[in-house]
Amino acid sequence: AQSVTQLDSHVSVSEGTPVLLRCNYSSSYSPSLFWYVQHPNKGLQLLLKYTSAATLVKGINGFEAEFKKSETSFHLTKPSAHMSDAAEYFCVVSDGNAGNNRKLIWGLGTSLAVNP
Amino acid sequence: NAGVMQNPRHLVRRRGQEARLRCSPMKGHSHVYWYRQLPEEGLKFMVYLQKENIIDESGMPKERFSAEFPKEGPSILRIQQVVRGDSAAYFCASSPGTAVPEAFFGQGTRLTVV
Repeated sequence: AQSVTQLDSHVSVSEGTPVLLRCNYSSSYSPSLFWYVQHPNKGLQLLLKYTSAATLVKGINGFEAEFKKSETSFHLTKPSAHMSDAAEYFCVVSDGNAGNNRKLIWGLGTSLAVNP
Repeated sequence: NAGVMQNPRHLVRRRGQEARLRCSPMKGHSHVYWYRQLPEEGLKFMVYLQKENIIDESGMPKERFSAEFPKEGPSILRIQQVVRGDSAAYFCASSPGTAVPEAFFGQGTRLTVV
């Protein structure tokens, strides 16, 4: 069965410093992996996705993530945090096999705080 | 092309009442997913529908909960006889059903049971 583990429930960084949000997954199939962001009282926005193409994936707002199959990881990074990055971040896996029965498996989320 | 539209955004129900949550997928999307987010938890899959068909309802409680996605109109998540434990944010997502299950999410409906 597939699962996602976000290793940190809370991360706090200073503005202008790097961001690292860690995610490990387990999957029976070749997974698709996603990072979503949820700002307070807002909907969920897709940051980036990995779908078996390039292992280094670039997303919106300067975020990127690297798929490492040997480590079963998909950590999210950003070189320099901005105050507006403060939000909840979710790592998501989908490894539905061919066909229609697919669903997303969500991590519990990492709350990112950015300090001035 | 409007995004996924959910309404209402906020819904307050007394215990025992019915809650009806609506989701209009993005234009051209025929796959709809419902997720529930309990406080301080990630999203939990509830049900996956295509037009007029329930494909996977393995995440939905067996009693009081039902979902539909008719040929015309929005998808409806219906909760009968609500209890306090049903208080949560309910998110709907849609996808075009391509090989990549990238889903686009609505802003959610926050249900409060009093």
